[in-house]
Amino acid sequence: GAVVSQHPSRVICKSGTSVKIECRSLDFQATTMFWYRQFPKQSLMLMATSNEGSKATYEQGVEKDKFLINHASLTLSTLTVTSAHPEDSSFYICSADDRDRYNEQFFGPGTRLTVL
Amino acid sequence: KNQVEQSPQSLIILEGKNCTLQCNYTVSPFSNLRWYKQDTGRGPVSLTIMTFSENTKSNGRYTATLDADTKQSSLHITASQLSDSASYICVVTPYGNKLVFGAGTILRVKS
Repeated sequence: GAVVSQHPSRVICKSGTSVKIECRSLDFQATTMFWYRQFPKQSLMLMATSNEGSKATYEQGVEKDKFLINHASLTLSTLTVTSAHPEDSSFYICSADDRDRYNEQFFGPGTRLTVL
Repeated sequence: KNQVEQSPQSLIILEGKNCTLQCNYTVSPFSNLRWYKQDTGRGPVSLTIMTFSENTKSNGRYTATLDADTKQSSLHITASQLSDSASYICVVTPYGNKLVFGAGTILRVKS
């Protein structure tokens, strides 16, 4: 149990395009989902916290107009990187809070974004 | 400031050997401490989770210890295997749900 999926696992796009990444909790309901970014050989950096049915809370320095987050249901959150640039190339990971398991967070497998 | 520091930064061991990874934290109070394993290009996978009142937790060949007085935790890996090669991340949760991550220890197991 407690599986979190991400789609796509890998995406390559041209500069200026928008990319949507989906995060799903497959067998539990997640009132809160988190989006992280990870650069090579660095730890995860929290970008934003997403609560179902409300606006996401962004960390300092993260542009909310560039990284659009939608948490439309208890099992799905999406991150859209708008007008992507090469510096947005990174590994994006989501996690979901399982409210039935003492709010333990389960991570998705990650999405590798490469912007050319 | 809430911080989590891990040591060593990287480690190379021979297959079959044991190793211990360290985690020191300043997060206080906290609700739980977790160890994750992250394979290259994958998301972190939970190994153990301990509340502040627990001293030890095992998961197969992985054993985590916690000393809440000294604010230290360790992850001991027994009889290492090649598949143990990964980054091991110590994560502390203050009350609330925003995790504080360590930088990780990169473990490489050689045959």
